[in-house]
Amino acid sequence: NAGVTQTPKFQVLKTGQSMTLQCAQDMNHNSMYWYRQDPGMGLRLIYYSASEGTTDKGEVPNGYNVSRLNKREFSLRLESAAPSQTSVYFCASSEQVEQFFGPGTRLTVL
Amino acid sequence: RKEVEQDPGPFNVPEGATVAFNCTYSNSASQSFFWYRQDCRKEPKLLMSVYSSGNEDGRFTAQLNRASQYISLLIRDSKLSDSATYLCVVNFLSGNTPLVFGKGTRLSVIA
Repeated sequence: NAGVTQTPKFQVLKTGQSMTLQCAQDMNHNSMYWYRQDPGMGLRLIYYSASEGTTDKGEVPNGYNVSRLNKREFSLRLESAAPSQTSVYFCASSEQVEQFFGPGTRLTVL
Repeated sequence: RKEVEQDPGPFNVPEGATVAFNCTYSNSASQSFFWYRQDCRKEPKLLMSVYSSGNEDGRFTAQLNRASQYISLLIRDSKLSDSATYLCVVNFLSGNTPLVFGKGTRLSVIA
């Protein structure tokens, strides 16, 4: 089992560019999450998907969109990247309460 | 009031020391409580759940005080490998709903 995988591991964008962060899990979990982590701010929930076909906003959804493509995959899209979106992005999945995290994507927006 | 509050540290302790972290949460109806560990530049991982009766896992002891809305983590006989950030995590609702993470407490164990 690979657990939760994320691609890419690192990315540098220019302001205004778009990109999609990919996340997949092989644990057959129903729920998936996207967080961002910034120094001094802790983990903040961007969007989550309680089950296939549903998505909900978290604490900081502005500037992002998500797609729950199927049970395994949950992608995060930045339509027009801004320097304020420079962060480490973590995807997670869960079946009960415990969440399992991917290794993260380090994104820099210049 | 912040939903989950922790002392950010850093706590710098010598090997073999006992160190305790505290955490307070704002929602009195909170259902589940956890400590996660995050190593530098890595993802968070579950360290232990926190039960009302208190629970122990080797050198680690977690306590919950619902009346005071307070969670603690005690680490005995600290090892160099315990150096990490410890995240206090609360589930405000029942079932499979998003967790709320504290900002973490950084621990450095020094030889």
